[in-house]
Amino acid sequence: AQTVTQSQPEMSVQEAETVTLSCTYDTSENNYYLFWYKQPPSRQMILVIRQEAYKQQNATENRFSVNFQKAAKSFSLKISDSQLGDTAMYFCAFMRANFGNEKLTFGTGTRLTIIP
Amino acid sequence: DGGITQSPKYLFRKEGQNVTLSCEQNLNHDAMYWYRQDPGQGLRLIYYSQIVNDFQKGDIAEGYSVSREKKESFPLTVTSAQKNPTAFYLCASSISRGSEKLFFGSGTQLSVL
Repeated sequence: AQTVTQSQPEMSVQEAETVTLSCTYDTSENNYYLFWYKQPPSRQMILVIRQEAYKQQNATENRFSVNFQKAAKSFSLKISDSQLGDTAMYFCAFMRANFGNEKLTFGTGTRLTIIP
Repeated sequence: DGGITQSPKYLFRKEGQNVTLSCEQNLNHDAMYWYRQDPGQGLRLIYYSQIVNDFQKGDIAEGYSVSREKKESFPLTVTSAQKNPTAFYLCASSISRGSEKLFFGSGTQLSVL
């Protein structure tokens, strides 16, 4: 079974600073997807960024980027120029390729607070 | 606007009572999912449906039931057999089971009176 570990239950950072959230996972698969989801106080889950394991290039979405280290099974999220609206729970998730979404595994989350 | 609508936002259950959480989508998605979220834990899959009139148990299906009579609707019933129902429930959908892009509703908080 796949497992996803987020070792930082809570983090806080000053507005405009850069913050990195860590995620490690355990799998024997070679082809898979990794995701970061954001859950703001409204509690709706929002996809922030996704990475395909067969792609070596790290995914980026505006101020959000990942550091994907396949051999180390590490998938960290970097938020640059942090904004107050980035305050949320962030969940790392893993899904085996060629399987359905029912195989999506979530980590326990990191609560990020942006301090004005 | 296309999206997923969950209702109610807050729901209270009495002992021995069954309650039903609504999930409706107008995205024309085939696959729909129900997740449970507890404090300090990630999302856990309760049930999923790949297509109308078909659904499968997820990791924590005991004490729950679902139906999928229409493509747009995937209601979740929390039965009296679910001894610890207090949680936040999220519904999601995707174009197909194999699509890795999930769309989520805004959730229902269920509490026990």
